[in-house]
Amino acid sequence: DAGVIQSPRHEVTEMGQEVTLRCKPISGHNSLFWYRQTMMRGLELLIYFNNNVPIDDSGMPEDRFSAKMPNASFSTLKIQPSEPRDSAVYFCASPGITGNTIYFGEGSWLTVV
Amino acid sequence: QKEVEQDPGPLSVPEGAIVSLNCTYSNSAFQYFMWYRQYSRKGPELLMYTYSSGNKEDGRFTAQVDKSSKYISLFIRDSQPSDSATYLCAMSLTGGTSYGKLTFGQGTILTVHP
Repeated sequence: DAGVIQSPRHEVTEMGQEVTLRCKPISGHNSLFWYRQTMMRGLELLIYFNNNVPIDDSGMPEDRFSAKMPNASFSTLKIQPSEPRDSAVYFCASPGITGNTIYFGEGSWLTVV
Repeated sequence: QKEVEQDPGPLSVPEGAIVSLNCTYSNSAFQYFMWYRQYSRKGPELLMYTYSSGNKEDGRFTAQVDKSSKYISLFIRDSQPSDSATYLCAMSLTGGTSYGKLTFGQGTILTVHP
């Protein structure tokens, strides 16, 4: 199993541009979690899906953020328009073999200038 | 006050030392407790997972949970330079589909020097 795969690994964009982050979860499970990590706030849950349906999006900071999971093997997190304060590392996570905890991808390192 | 408090360190120890990492929490409803290790510019890697109170050992690592005190610990025996990383404690309320809804501590930066 290749684990959770995220792309792009690094993104530098200008303020106001649209950013799309992608995630391919571990196969065989139907839950997926998006987290954000910053120096100030640490790791925070943004949104999670079960059976491709968003269950809890209370961590999404504002309407500029949206996430989709069109099928069990793919999810996107979109920021439109992006702002410098969105600069962070965005992690996708999905359940592993045991199904009772989650495993993280390598993250997408976003810088908005 | 944060739900999960973790001393950010940094913590620097000599190779071979026993390392003790700790977290306290305020929400008594937390049932699942985890420790993640994060190397620089990498994703968090699951290290230990425990349910409710008790101890769990895996090689050089021992995790302890004391729910009565709302306190969890991770011990690393015979620490190695390769253990140098940030260690994050994490907790969740229940199983089911929300087990991945984790509340993290701020992380403790550990350096093990030869």
